[in-house]
Amino acid sequence: GAGVSQSPSNKVTEKGKDVELRCDPISGHTALYWYRQSLGQGLEFLIYFQGNSAPDKSGLPSDRFSAERTGGSVSTLTIQRTQQEDSAVYLCASSWGTGEVYGYTFGSGTRLTVV
Amino acid sequence: AQTVTQSQPEMSVQEAETVTLSCTYDTSESNYYLFWYKQPPSRQMILVIRQEAYKQQNATENRFSVNFQKAAKSFSLKISDSQLGDTAMYFCALTGANSKLTFGKGITLSVRP
Repeated sequence: GAGVSQSPSNKVTEKGKDVELRCDPISGHTALYWYRQSLGQGLEFLIYFQGNSAPDKSGLPSDRFSAERTGGSVSTLTIQRTQQEDSAVYLCASSWGTGEVYGYTFGSGTRLTVV
Repeated sequence: AQTVTQSQPEMSVQEAETVTLSCTYDTSESNYYLFWYKQPPSRQMILVIRQEAYKQQNATENRFSVNFQKAAKSFSLKISDSQLGDTAMYFCALTGANSKLTFGKGITLSVRP
């Protein structure tokens, strides 16, 4: 596609429910990144994929968070048993090769609200 | 660990004037990259300018330029001839060999007509 697509754009969920956030990177981009943007913490790195493997999962805040990428393309970030502190904007970015050299392209994010 | 500090939470500038946004950083890597991103209300991060640490020449993109002081670990963004469309949040960011962006807290820039 022309850009990085994230869905849904907004999601309201009840505390304790599971949610799935989707990221469609630019076609051909091998690297994919997830970040979380919240008022209190700013922008935090969550996980990085190169192809289908995740060499760096260091930013996932707890074992309730998981992510996968299939076919070197679409990625899904899953949050189980959501808590109010999970409320944030979840941003996805992709790049060809490594982002620092070739540039990162960001999506418009998913705003998650846990009530 | 890498850190990025943006100490000014917000700034305001008159249309057509020049404004400078400050950023300092810390990293133990010898080769790294610095970025300024713009985030309008649409939430999408848009790259404004990029600087490779090994290049001494300051990056420039049209009305946007940086003052990169490597020894002082400072990376400020200058916006010349400010336009109403420049109103947004601006983030300074750093990455090294791990490709992981570390962001500052951001600054809200308002351009007054």
